Amino acid sequence: GQNIDQPTEMTATEGAIVQINCTYQTSGFNGLFWYQQHAGEAPTFLSYNVLDGLEEKGRFSSFLSRSKGYSYLLLKELQMKDSASYLCAVRDRDYQLIWGAGTKLIIKP
Amino acid sequence: IAGITQAPTSQILAAGRRMTLRCTQDMRHNAMYWYRQDLGLGLRLIHYSNTAGTTGKGEVPDGYSVSRANTDDFPLTLASAVPSQTSVYFCASSDSGITGELFFGEGSRLTVL
Repeated sequence: GQNIDQPTEMTATEGAIVQINCTYQTSGFNGLFWYQQHAGEAPTFLSYNVLDGLEEKGRFSSFLSRSKGYSYLLLKELQMKDSASYLCAVRDRDYQLIWGAGTKLIIKP
Repeated sequence: IAGITQAPTSQILAAGRRMTLRCTQDMRHNAMYWYRQDLGLGLRLIHYSNTAGTTGKGEVPDGYSVSRANTDDFPLTLASAVPSQTSVYFCASSDSGITGELFFGEGSRLTVL
């Protein structure tokens, strides 16, 4: 079966750096997405990786290793507004999205 | 403001009742989706439509139906609601660009008693 694994919850301190990991086993691979979802709100797109390596976008970076079935989302200079759930999703060979359950990130002052 | 509009935002209904969740987008995206989100589980695809006039079943289609008469609208119908359909429902759309990322509506919180 297809599976996406990410930690259920993480805690970090304001101003620090946090890395959220995602491992996947899917039928084929056509890209990996990270979405941010604040409590009670809709998910919003953060990043997309289809080739190995690091994609940087401001304070957020996303890394992909296709051979290891692994990705991480790196958040720098954490702010209180970064408290949210972060969803990892993989597009399989049929271009269907497989979603992880999400990682709830708690930022403490 | 361009985007996806869902209605209602919240609804409580009795088991056995029929319910339609509405979804309208003004971005002219071809593909549209309905997901449900439950605590501790990832987003699960109910039904999707790659283009107007076509629909397909997702991971959890039982008890739900959809139609796609035009590009903009993609309603989700629960023919006879059951308590296990209590969830938050998200409508989403995507374009045919390189990433094809999803744009989500604000969600409809449904409680079936």
